Amino acid sequence: DIQMTQSPSSLSASVGDRVTITCQASQDISNYLNWYQQKPGKAPKLLIYDASNLETGVPSGFSGSGSGTDFTFTINSLQPEDIATYYCQQYGNLPLTFGGGTKVEIK
Amino acid sequence: QLQLQESGPGLVKPSETLSLTCTVSGGSISSNSYYWGWIRQPPGKGLEWIGNIHYSGSTYYNPSLKSRVTMSVDTSKNQFSLKLSSVTAADTAVYYCARVRRHYGSGSQFDYWGQGTLVTVSS
Repeated sequence: DIQMTQSPSSLSASVGDRVTITCQASQDISNYLNWYQQKPGKAPKLLIYDASNLETGVPSGFSGSGSGTDFTFTINSLQPEDIATYYCQQYGNLPLTFGGGTKVEIK
Repeated sequence: QLQLQESGPGLVKPSETLSLTCTVSGGSISSNSYYWGWIRQPPGKGLEWIGNIHYSGSTYYNPSLKSRVTMSVDTSKNQFSLKLSSVTAADTAVYYCARVRRHYGSGSQFDYWGQGTLVTVSS
């Protein structure tokens, strides 16, 4: 199985800050990487697919980059409504696997 | 707007079989472009993919669960289902169904999700 290592596991930032989360795959997955946002008590929501493509309807303040084994997810200007846990997910190989999540809080 | 809704018992006894159904509305389950998947999340923990099924019946299961998982599809009812046998407390989780964009015959992104249903395994 491809292991997805997310860091940090949690972070606290101020409104307006730029927030960056990284995800490292245990082997090359090209750009087969997605990012999801999960708010408490809700289902995950697809934000970024194929490493850098913004899902339709998702605000442009979210972005993703990377390929191979190293990926980055960025919130350009943290807003209170962005408080959530963010997960990366690879589909380079079965089984589909998720990172452990990054919980984002407001300082 | 596509909607997915999980249904099934919220409490299952150890060693029994967990059975859930996902009803799809606002779109057809019979599309070549998509798979239909199950993902679970133990309380306070991360996400685990269980498996995907195509309307044709082809399936992909997580090897860690494969010996206990059966997925099926009922196109006449626009539903797909999950059975997980011989459950233990470790199978207690919120179970989500989702639409999966097709990628080289398996799956890529989960783009529509159900709200999730908590299944507790306890006697």
